[in-house]
Formats: sequence, C-alpha cells, structure tokens
Amino acid sequence: DTAVSQTPKYLVTQMGNDKSIKCEQNLGHDTMYWYKQDSKKFLKIMFSYNNKELIINETVPNRFSPKSPDKAHLNLHINSLELGDSAVYFCASSQAGTGGTDTQYFGPGTRLTVL
Amino acid sequence: GNSVTQMEGPVTLSEEAFLTINCTYTATGYPSLFWYIQYPGEGLQLLLKATKADDKGSNKGFEATYRKETTSFHLEKGSVQVSDSAVYFCALNNFGNEKLTFGTGTRLTIIP
Repeated sequence: DTAVSQTPKYLVTQMGNDKSIKCEQNLGHDTMYWYKQDSKKFLKIMFSYNNKELIINETVPNRFSPKSPDKAHLNLHINSLELGDSAVYFCASSQAGTGGTDTQYFGPGTRLTVL
Repeated sequence: GNSVTQMEGPVTLSEEAFLTINCTYTATGYPSLFWYIQYPGEGLQLLLKATKADDKGSNKGFEATYRKETTSFHLEKGSVQVSDSAVYFCALNNFGNEKLTFGTGTRLTIIP
C-alpha cells in the first residue's frame, strides 16, 4: 500500500489553463504539506494543513489554492498557469504535535510542465 | 530565519570510498535535523535524523552527529555503493514549527 500517493504523476498543459493535483495519505497523519521542487532541485514548502486547517502559507501566489476535504487528502489547484509554475510538486504528511521531530513522508511527485 | 547550507555537488566517488557531505545550519532555538534521500524520479525518503544536540542518527551505514557548537550535521558513510547514488538533502525543523527547511541538495554518483 502506498503511504502517500499523488495524481497525476505527469501533467503537461498550456499557459493560462487551470489544473489540479490530488494527494492522499493512508498513514493516519494529521498534517499534510505541499512542496515545490524547481529545476535545480531546490525544495521549498508552499502550504501546510493540520486537520483540514491551513497552518503554513509561504508567500505563494493567489493562483495556488490548496483544499483539504478531510485530513487524509490535500489537493492543490492552480489557476492561470504560468511558465514559471513548471516544477515537480511533492505532497507530504506527518504526525502533528511532535514539536517538529517527526518524519515527513513524501509522495512520488507530480511533474508539471507548462508550455 | 532558518537556513541550511549544504556542500555543493555534484560529488562523484568510486565504490567503497569514504563519503562526507557537509551540512551547516542557522536557526533560533533547538531544531531537529534530518537527512533525506531522493532517488531519480522518486519522492524524498528519510535517511536519518537527530532531535537534540550530540545525538547521532544512523541508518544503512550512514551516520550524522548533531553538533550544536559548530551548528553542523555532516553526513558520513565509510564505504559507499553504487546503489547510494542519489540526491541528498539536509533539512531542519524548528521546535513547534512543522515546516522543513531544506538545503539545496547534493547529487552523489558512485562509479563501480
């Protein structure tokens, strides 16, 4: 059983389109995250949700909107896609309330290419 | 703010060589420190971690010691294998904050 899964694995789309990436975790964790990895492999957090509530929002453009229907799912919707949005997006999850000591478990990533 | 500085790659070593990947950090308080590994086309996996000063994390022959006095968490392995080829990320997480701050990653290639 995959612990953190993402769909789709690859996403190729035109500039200006709207797209969504879905993430699900079956680990029973309370906290989920979205990270962006650029072409130089640099990883940066975008959002974090704890029990469906937004707790971290890192100066991400308003075109990005996370949605958490329940604590096992955290989807990422992107409006009006731009060339600079091309990257690999990783979902992750962890248990909350551990004071930052807990391991984060990552999904396999979604490679988004904007043409 | 928090930051992690990693040794720049890429690093290429022969099989059975000794590996060190340097990592230093800047943080207020007492962060937890992590090494994550990313194989080609995959997500990150935890390699090891240390949650307080002088702790040593170890896994699969890799080790790293949390040195508060030098704000470092260098990764070492005594004898690398081809299967260790991957990108290695050092990261920190400050107490009470669930956010991971990553270094820039170090690409390691082991040649037979």
